[in-house]
Amino acid sequence: DTEVTQTPKHLVMGMTNKKSLKCEQHMGHRAMYWYKQKAKKPPELMFVYSYEKLSINESVPSRFSPECPNSSLLNLHLHALQPEDSALYLCASSQVSSRGTDTQYFGPGTRLTVL
Amino acid sequence: AQSVTQLDSHVSVSEGTPVLLRCNYSSSYSPSLFWYVQHPNKGLQLLLKYTSAATLVKGINGFEAEFKKSETSFHLTKPSAHMSDAAEYFCVVSDYGGSQGNLIFGKGTKLSVKP
Repeated sequence: DTEVTQTPKHLVMGMTNKKSLKCEQHMGHRAMYWYKQKAKKPPELMFVYSYEKLSINESVPSRFSPECPNSSLLNLHLHALQPEDSALYLCASSQVSSRGTDTQYFGPGTRLTVL
Repeated sequence: AQSVTQLDSHVSVSEGTPVLLRCNYSSSYSPSLFWYVQHPNKGLQLLLKYTSAATLVKGINGFEAEFKKSETSFHLTKPSAHMSDAAEYFCVVSDYGGSQGNLIFGKGTKLSVKP
């Protein structure tokens, strides 16, 4: 099974709201990722968790707050977002290797609209 | 530094004709290379990957890609296009020795399939 699930599929929020995106995998992967994808662009890496510890934060604004409660779950907490944060948010997971080259498996994404 | 170039932003073919999506990479090491497909408003699905075991890589849905080191290419082909192949395709190189999860995406090629 190579499935990564994400909820919700769609989310509309105002700039003052607080919401969370959720991601889950049961492949035994110990690396999990958040990406942001704007229309007609490739995904951009936001955060990487390796063994439940944040290992990469690609200079993402603090209004995005990741959390990895356990090895199967990854959350992205959203607060005070801007309209330009509207995008498809993708979660991915992979094995951890010394080369960092393991295949990443992606979820279906959450389509976020900020009003 | 590693990089990947997808030579065509848009490819249009007729159903039943061959598909060729071109990708060139730059790498100081022996790279890991991937092709992902993304249907509209969906996540990324792994088509195939190259990790130095064999230069001709077979993937899902009849796609295959050939790694040519002398040409630094990893072109994606399919003998006969189907309407369901219409999607965005990303060529990706994994940053050997880099941080966990450092995938380098091409800009994508949109494949259109005409009836």
